[in-house]
Amino acid sequence: AQRVTQPEKLLSVFKGAPVELKCNYSYSGSPELFWYVQYSRQRLQLLLRHISRESIKGFTADLNKGETSFHLKKPFAQEEDSAMYYCALKGGSEKLVFGKGTKLTVNP
Amino acid sequence: NAGVTQTPKFRILKIGQSMTLQCTQDMNHNYMYWYRQDPGMGLKLIYYSVGAGITDKGEVPNGYNVSRSTTEDFPLRLELAAPSQTSVYFCASWGPGLADNEQFFGPGTRLTVL
Repeated sequence: AQRVTQPEKLLSVFKGAPVELKCNYSYSGSPELFWYVQYSRQRLQLLLRHISRESIKGFTADLNKGETSFHLKKPFAQEEDSAMYYCALKGGSEKLVFGKGTKLTVNP
Repeated sequence: NAGVTQTPKFRILKIGQSMTLQCTQDMNHNYMYWYRQDPGMGLKLIYYSVGAGITDKGEVPNGYNVSRSTTEDFPLRLELAAPSQTSVYFCASWGPGLADNEQFFGPGTRLTVL
């Protein structure tokens, strides 16, 4: 079974502080992992994927197969980072399995 | 490209009424999906389609129906609306993005059933 767990429903940090949004997954094969972001009242949009190994808006995420994790990190949070973040897994089909999401609030 | 578009943006239904949520994509994607988003529950897959004429149930299909007569359109039908169907509905498609395949989402339809 494919499962994505985001243990934190809410995460609050101050501007300039580091932030880490946790994501753990369960899948027996080789997954593709994604982070999607949803700003207030907007549609979900792709933030980054593990294959690309790039930094988007200062965010990075590394796939750790040993710990089955794909945590999202940013060294210095900005107020505009406040949003809902979803971790998603793609297994053998063209369906994504989403976690329940973490609402990040960056306080001034 | 307009991407994935949905209509209406908002709708209030009375219990027992019916409605169709429209979804269109202009990217020629074969794969399309309907999700509902409830607070604290994330995204739940309702139905999906791998191409015109082919649909399949997702995680929470009860109370909904879909059809896929063309590649572009994937409407979601609610036959007898219930308060439990109050949610935000997102349509999505899967296909080539800037770098690789990705899922593209519509802007959502906020449905309230009273």
